[in-house]
Amino acid sequence: EDQVTQSPEALRLQEGESSSLNCSYTVSGLRGLFWYRQDPGKGPEFLFTLYSAGEEKEKERLKATLTKKESFLHITAPKPEDSATYLCAAKAAGNKLTFGGGTRVLVKP
Amino acid sequence: NAGVTQTPKFQVLKTGQSMTLQCAQDMNHEYMSWYRQDPGMGLRLIHYSVGAGITDQGEVPNGYNVSRSTTEDFPLRLLSAAPSQTSVYFCASGGRENSPLHFGNGTRLTVT
Repeated sequence: EDQVTQSPEALRLQEGESSSLNCSYTVSGLRGLFWYRQDPGKGPEFLFTLYSAGEEKEKERLKATLTKKESFLHITAPKPEDSATYLCAAKAAGNKLTFGGGTRVLVKP
Repeated sequence: NAGVTQTPKFQVLKTGQSMTLQCAQDMNHEYMSWYRQDPGMGLRLIHYSVGAGITDQGEVPNGYNVSRSTTEDFPLRLLSAAPSQTSVYFCASGGRENSPLHFGNGTRLTVT
């Protein structure tokens, strides 16, 4: 059975304090690993897609990396506006998308 | 550019009532889907469609029906609401294979 597990469940950071979020996945035939950001009361907003181990993508203070078993979302020098829930999802063969439970990030000024 | 539009934003139902959650997209996407999001459970796929006239079940389809008569619209029907269907419902659409999903802003449903 396909599984995606995110850790930690919640993360409290001081502004400027860099950290990493983990997404561990077990899927048969990974077709893509997706990261989304979700603000309260909103739908998930697409951030990155990673397709193969070793791939990296960056956007402002966020960098996503991928290995054969997990993906990391690194937040460098976060600002309060980076506070959100970050979701990862793995797409397997057959185009089935499995989401993790998310990591709630709070960045305090 | 509206993207994915869901209505209503909030809804309260009594057990046994029926309703339809509406979803429309203006991106000409073939793929559309419905998810529910519950605390601690993540997003779970209810039903999906790969094109007009084609629908299929996801992970948690029981109690829900869908149809896809046009590319733009993908309504989700609850025929007899139950308290277990209290959740936030998200509609999402996607283009070519492996492209990311675009989500609406959700419908928060409470069944009493």
